[in-house]
Amino acid sequence: EAQVTQNPRYLITVTGKKLTVTCSQNMNHEYMSWYRQDPGLGLRQIYYSMNVEVTDKGDVPEGYKVSRKEKRNFPLILESPSPNQTSLYFCASSFDGVYYEQYFGPGTRLTVT
Amino acid sequence: GNSVTQMEGPVTLSEEAFLTINCTYTATGYPSLFWYVQYPGEGLQLLLKATKADDKGSNKGFEATYRKETTSFHLEKGSVQVSDSAVYFCALSGNTNAGKSTFGDGTTLTVKP
Repeated sequence: EAQVTQNPRYLITVTGKKLTVTCSQNMNHEYMSWYRQDPGLGLRQIYYSMNVEVTDKGDVPEGYKVSRKEKRNFPLILESPSPNQTSLYFCASSFDGVYYEQYFGPGTRLTVT
Repeated sequence: GNSVTQMEGPVTLSEEAFLTINCTYTATGYPSLFWYVQYPGEGLQLLLKATKADDKGSNKGFEATYRKETTSFHLEKGSVQVSDSAVYFCALSGNTNAGKSTFGDGTTLTVKP
């Protein structure tokens, strides 16, 4: 089954404790992206990757890191989480990120206390 | 930069009513336009798309036409069902800044029997 998986689905952590949210896709997509969803703000793009070893900032990259060492994986790293990063996070993938639709993972609900 | 403006919600309709959700955009070049739907507790999934001016996307009775002259991509359905209750997002992917995606704030639709 074609899918994007994220782990964990739910995470409660404390300020400053480094964490990683994993994302994996099995569709051989070139493009992957991370978003956060906050009430009244829609989805905002954090980082995206057009291909292996190529990453670029989205609209809200501060406080986040990503890497794309393999085509199928695109982890999101919060090195020192803060309460304002409490949000619902989605990973997505696409053939090209322009003309083709994105396939979204189920989401990771992160709470930073 | 690019932007997407959706009509504010929430929208509440009776079953079989006509639906319109307005979406206008600002972008350089010739973006691709998308409507995504999010059901409770799930990630976003593609509803329909259009990749050039005057294209009409359609799926499950929903339609939207890419209008470059009015920079709009309004979503319509002739007769909504209770099962259409969800959050709808208008989005664009630009070809002049490939990889960057911009989403609207989302419109919550509730259909009552």
